[in-house]
Amino acid sequence: DIQMTQSPSSLSASVGDRVTITCRASESISSSLNWYQQKVGKAPKLLIFAASNFQRGVPSRISGSGSGTDFTLTISSLQPDDFATYYCQQSYRTPWTFGQGTKVEIK
Amino acid sequence: EVELVESGGGLEQPGRSLRLSCRASGFTFGDYGMSWIRQAPGKGLEWVGFISTTADGATTEYAASAKGRFTISREDSKNIAYLQMNSLKTEDTAVYYCSRVRLVGGDWYYFDHWGQGSLVTVSA
Repeated sequence: DIQMTQSPSSLSASVGDRVTITCRASESISSSLNWYQQKVGKAPKLLIFAASNFQRGVPSRISGSGSGTDFTLTISSLQPDDFATYYCQQSYRTPWTFGQGTKVEIK
Repeated sequence: EVELVESGGGLEQPGRSLRLSCRASGFTFGDYGMSWIRQAPGKGLEWVGFISTTADGATTEYAASAKGRFTISREDSKNIAYLQMNSLKTEDTAVYYCSRVRLVGGDWYYFDHWGQGSLVTVSA
């Protein structure tokens, strides 16, 4: 199975900060990497698919990049609505697997 | 508007069975694959399995934790996907989400819409 490792597991940041979350795959997954946001008690929401493609309605301050084994989710200016847990997920090969999550908290 | 609504969760004893349903609306259900994803209390997301479109044979794939015990099926005439869970274990306790699977460019799969989740608790 392809293992997905996110870092950090959690971070504290202030409104307006630039935030970067990293996701590393245990083997090359080309661009088959998706990012989801989950708020407490809610279902996950798709943010980015195929490493760098925006889902409709996602604010432009959120972006994704990377290919192969190393990927990044960047929030250019953190807003109150962005405090949540973020998950990467590979769809290169089944079993599809998720990273362990990165919790973004208010400093 | 795309909507997915899960039902069928609840409390069940270890070794027993439970069937979850995912009712879809707002899109042509038969054109999409569907997946189930679960989340144990306080834990991360775990993919459970996938069913392709009927046109693609309604083929299924499962995580190792589900293989042999869980079965995903679909009933396109009713816009419903199912997750049949047999031989339940306490570690199956989780919120179970169904999701629509989008395929783009022939290569890229992703979960573009999710239901609200259905809680399954396995306990004696």
